Amino acid sequence: SQQGEEDPQALSIQEGENATMNCSYKTSINNLQWYRQNSGRGLVHLILIRSNEREKHSGRLRVTLDTSKKSSSLLITASRAADTASYFCATSKAAGNKLTFGGGTRVLVKP
Amino acid sequence: DVKVTQSSRYLVKRTGEKVFLECVQDMDHENMFWYRQDPGLGLRLIYFSYDVKMKEKGDIPEGYSVSREKKERFSLILESASTNQTSMYLCASSFLPHQETQYFGPGTRLLVL
Repeated sequence: SQQGEEDPQALSIQEGENATMNCSYKTSINNLQWYRQNSGRGLVHLILIRSNEREKHSGRLRVTLDTSKKSSSLLITASRAADTASYFCATSKAAGNKLTFGGGTRVLVKP
Repeated sequence: DVKVTQSSRYLVKRTGEKVFLECVQDMDHENMFWYRQDPGLGLRLIYFSYDVKMKEKGDIPEGYSVSREKKERFSLILESASTNQTSMYLCASSFLPHQETQYFGPGTRLLVL
């Protein structure tokens, strides 16, 4: 089974609204990353949060990590049509361990 | 700027054919990865390499092999393509081992008939 599971599987919002998606995982992690994938393209790294961090910001992105609940959230503020994409979380259990990707959240931002 | 390129965006092959997927990175990264992506299954690691001529199996290596003769190039080989290998194949590279940021190529969508 996948280490990271995103929720919801799909999200549809209006331009300007905020989009929030969650990632839950099963075992302890070294770090958690979020990636974006535009339709039919490769993944683009968005942000990495380490297990000893609780919150991180990058532009309009805000990521939180709650290791006690084994979950993370990605918030996109003031969404734009260009944010339409699939978003994946990826976790690594320990130093030297491979990344495990979740199934992704498909986000549609309507103009 | 970081760049990972893959030899083909779309590829159609017949069952039993030998298929080569090429990936090149220009960032002098030590680590390179091959994933396949299927709906509902996310990305699954096929093989990775942490140095020239070094390779390690990922989660689903069966039916695949890899080659890393030069640092910048990592090839995925389907020895005898089968229809269940129809998928999106993504190559990635990273400066640090597995758990740090990975840079992805645009992907190759392979259809095996």
